[in-house]
Amino acid sequence: DAKTTQPPSMDCAEGRAANLPCNHSTISGNEYVYWYRQIHSQGPQYIIHGLKNNETNEMASLIITEDRKSSTLILPHATLRDTAVYYCIVRVGRISGNTPLVFGKGTRLSVIA
Amino acid sequence: DTAVSQTPKYLVTQMGNDKSIKCEQNLGHDTMYWYKQDSKKFLKIMFSYNNKELIINETVPNRFSPKSPDKAHLNLHINSLELGDSAVYFCASRSTWTSGSGNTDTQYFGPGTRLTVL
Repeated sequence: DAKTTQPPSMDCAEGRAANLPCNHSTISGNEYVYWYRQIHSQGPQYIIHGLKNNETNEMASLIITEDRKSSTLILPHATLRDTAVYYCIVRVGRISGNTPLVFGKGTRLSVIA
Repeated sequence: DTAVSQTPKYLVTQMGNDKSIKCEQNLGHDTMYWYKQDSKKFLKIMFSYNNKELIINETVPNRFSPKSPDKAHLNLHINSLELGDSAVYFCASRSTWTSGSGNTDTQYFGPGTRLTVL
């Protein structure tokens, strides 16, 4: 699986949009971009994933550049409960096979009141 | 209803002891995992089971022995505990599905078991 690069930490004011960048310049054509987060003392939680199109769900939006070498996770209205470590993971997305998640260091997002 | 549950939540024990951590998922998933998160917060895969069969064993010492009595359970037994085994252990199960972005999967993690070896 390709490696990713994320800033170690970011701050965001409560109620504002949080934009978390991720670089994955060596991504392969069949690899997806996944985002998980880990709130303190909890297990990681799936947020969103995408291949090449932008994606949106009830938690966040994922913007992937046209060359797929980078992406941005957007939390449109950050709340204090969004304070967590956010992991950008690139891996093959397939139903068959059994690829585990490979976590990097992630970005520690602090939402400030 | 908790989707993936682990017991115990905290486990404090002496070096050399043998202990077990239990994991249960009520999601009907076929694949389950054990991950370890060390003191530096790195999360790493340890084992993966699919339909009660071991699929992945990531160079984990053989003191660690996972056991899957059925698809809903994946327990982790650790023999001769060492100080370096102190960590948070997460169980996860995997859902596979098809979205607009194609075939993919999502992992659901348990709350973790904090193991402290004294």
